[in-house]
Amino acid sequence: SAVISQKPSRDICQRGTSLTIQCQVDSQVTMMFWYRQQPGQSLTLIATANQGSEATYESGFVIDKFPISRPNLTFSTLTVSNMSPEDSSIYLCSVEDIKGRVGYTFGSGTRLTVV
Amino acid sequence: LAKTTQPISMDSYEGQEVNITCSHNNIATNDYITWYQQFPSQGPRFIIQGYKTKVTNEVASLFIPADRKSSTLSLPRVSLSDTAVYYCLVGDIGNNDMRFGAGTRLTVKP
Repeated sequence: SAVISQKPSRDICQRGTSLTIQCQVDSQVTMMFWYRQQPGQSLTLIATANQGSEATYESGFVIDKFPISRPNLTFSTLTVSNMSPEDSSIYLCSVEDIKGRVGYTFGSGTRLTVV
Repeated sequence: LAKTTQPISMDSYEGQEVNITCSHNNIATNDYITWYQQFPSQGPRFIIQGYKTKVTNEVASLFIPADRKSSTLSLPRVSLSDTAVYYCLVGDIGNNDMRFGAGTRLTVKP
């Protein structure tokens, strides 16, 4: 399966600032997904990022708050903009594996704390 | 999107077999059933996937009845290291509709 490197692994940020999270995959993948996991909760899909097209956002998530880039088939970024303490969460990327099983492999996540 | 229902938590002891059942009454024809395991501070890890009947791999077995409205993840002879949250997902592969439910928090005791 694909190997994902997600950076940073954790960060503490001031409210009102922005943080960009990077997701690097060791193989080319068509679909990449960004999730949020609040403390003690399940994962919530933020958006799907396909190379060469605009990201598709889930209900409750907007591009101005969570802009996503997908410049090639091995890389994506998620930016958490104008952060508030409510954005404190774990953010994870996942990728479709070569056999097309959605979300087969996940990154280890970015633990974000907004103060 | 097929909604899933799992027990919130389960307790077991080392060496026992653990069965976690997931209900998905409105599963669609194209939907597959996938189970993930998540340890604290890690991303979810794929365990097993199936469409119908029984699937077995080196980690677990997945039992799916003919009507596919439920599925059961079976973990043989659990150990302390199997303590984790287990998620059942139902969705159409490649169609971007895999959604996580609440998950089952399994605690394995010595």
